Parts: sequence; C-alpha cells; structure tokens
Amino acid sequence: QVQLQESGPGLVKPSETLSLTCSVSGGSISNYYWAWIRQPAGKGLEWIGRINTSGSTNYNSSLKSRVTMSVDTSKNQFSLKLSSVTAADTAVYYCAREYSGSDSRYFDYWGQGTLVTVSS
Amino acid sequence: DIQMTQSPSSLSASVGDRVTITCRASQSIGSYLNWYQEKPGKAPKVLIYAVSSLQSGVPSRFSGSGSGTDFTLTISSLQPEDFATYYCQQSYSTPRTFGQGTKVEIK
Repeated sequence: QVQLQESGPGLVKPSETLSLTCSVSGGSISNYYWAWIRQPAGKGLEWIGRINTSGSTNYNSSLKSRVTMSVDTSKNQFSLKLSSVTAADTAVYYCAREYSGSDSRYFDYWGQGTLVTVSS
Repeated sequence: DIQMTQSPSSLSASVGDRVTITCRASQSIGSYLNWYQEKPGKAPKVLIYAVSSLQSGVPSRFSGSGSGTDFTLTISSLQPEDFATYYCQQSYSTPRTFGQGTKVEIK
C-alpha cells in the first residue's frame, strides 16, 4: 500500500519561504507525477503543481513565480518550496500521487495533510 | 485555465435519499473528470475517475455520468457515512482544477 507523508515547519513568517517534503513509502516514486495541493480553512482545493522523476514540472500560473518543486529518487521524496509567503498562503498542504492510465488521470493516493500557518 | 462549477454548493438530505451533484467545465474536457469525497480532518478520497469508473472499494451506490462539459455524481441511497463534501476535478489539462465543493448535510 502506497503511503505519503508530508513534513516541514507548521509555522512560517511572512516573506519567508515555506518548505515541505513528501516521503513516499510502499511503492516506487518512478513513473508517476507527484503533486502538491492546498486547502485554506473552510475553502476548496487548489492545485499548486506537479513533478515527475525526470524533473519535469508544471506549476499553477497563479503561484508560478514563487513555487519550486524538486524530487529525490534516492530517498523516494519530493519537495515544495513557496517563497515570499503571506497570510493568504496559510492552508493545509497535501501531497498526492497522480495516476495516469490510458483514458484517466486522477489523484489516487494522498498524504494526511499538514497545516502551515503564516504568521509573525 | 479550465473553470469547474459545481451545484449546489450545499444540500440537506436524509438517509436513503437519492442525491445528485452536478459539475460543469468551462470547456470540453472529454472524459477527464473525477469525483472526490472529503471528510473533516481527512484527505480527499477518489470515488469516481474518468467520469464513471468506480474506484476500488467504493460502494456501488456512487455513480457518475456525463461527457464534454456537463457531469453528474449520483448517490443512489444516501448512507450516514456519506455526509461529506464532494469535489469534481478535471485532469484534461494543467493546471488541474477542482470545483468549489458540494457539502452534503443531514436533514
């Protein structure tokens, strides 16, 4: 059974960089896209971006100038950095695997989510 | 970006009711439409992928239909464990986008 686990600081100061890592266990990180998705309290889901093990990335244009994703296949981990954060970046951050089939693409495994609060 | 619009935003229903949630995409997305269920404090869970395919382990009372831009999630007989928020999501193009959610509450 594939499991994902987010880790990183729960509190980040305004203007600083939010850094999260997602550790994948129970399966290989290869041959998939791995995504970050966030959810502010009481609001909907926002896709931040994705990365595969070749390092190919796609970012949400609304965050593109501030987002960097990376992958470490030796550790079965991938990471998110979001720079110049503000209170608007306070949210639960999820990592997820995007399964891709012949006629389907969907998020089949998710981490439990980690709350990141931006505050001084 | 493809906008996903769900309706209603919330609904109240009783156990045993048939519930229908609709999702409209701002452009055709073929069959790249998925449905997720989210419960408080838990990560979303995929119920339906590719419009109508039931994810393994999901009860058969959940079904999906539609094509192009208009899609529907149906719960044939609402059970107590189905009270949750439901999201549609398109995987036709990036950025992946979600509907705003439909909260199903107990009547």
